[in-house]
Amino acid sequence: DADVTQTPRNRITKTGKRIMLECSQTKGHDRMYWYRQDPGLGLRLIYYSFDVKDINKGEISDGYSVSRQAQAKFSLSLESAIPNQTALYFCASQGSSVTGELFFGEGSRLTVL
Amino acid sequence: KNEVEQSPQNLTAQEGEFITINCSYSVGISALHWLQQHPGGGIVSLFMLSSGKKKHGRLIATINIQEKHSSLHITASHPRDSAVYICAVGRWYGGSQGNLIFGKGTKLSVKP
Repeated sequence: DADVTQTPRNRITKTGKRIMLECSQTKGHDRMYWYRQDPGLGLRLIYYSFDVKDINKGEISDGYSVSRQAQAKFSLSLESAIPNQTALYFCASQGSSVTGELFFGEGSRLTVL
Repeated sequence: KNEVEQSPQNLTAQEGEFITINCSYSVGISALHWLQQHPGGGIVSLFMLSSGKKKHGRLIATINIQEKHSSLHITASHPRDSAVYICAVGRWYGGSQGNLIFGKGTKLSVKP
């Protein structure tokens, strides 16, 4: 099994729909992240969580929300999807230390029509 | 100015060539990560280093903390090395960027 699993891997939806992207990790890591990747812009941080009770907004959190259901699970929601949220989304986890190795999911490609 | 700059942005090489990708940063860091992203999307961690040099197979990563610079070298390059290579620095604190700042990546294409 992959260390970090994202579902779904691909999703096409319509404007206004609610979408949830799920992420689970088997590394026992406290730190989890959600990023989006757009061509030419690199990885941009949406939300991050340093433990189950700690949720922080990233630089592009508007239009998104998250839930840290357990140490292993970190979900990203788009309450009302819009076309400019079409992107490749990555979940990542990192060990408790600031020098912990990074583990990424395979990515979730979201298309909003 | 971006806090993490990579160069070059694009690189085309012939199979067998020695390749160097550079990463410069302007913030204090706890660690630096080199990541690889193949076409199709998945991102894997190649190295994490806070000082000196690490080697894994044909890949070598170095970091100079005083100069705030890191390099990723690929010896005897192969077409399967074609990917985007991303440098990321870890900071000791969070904020809206979190504790990780990413470069925009270097797209490497190795021709047979």
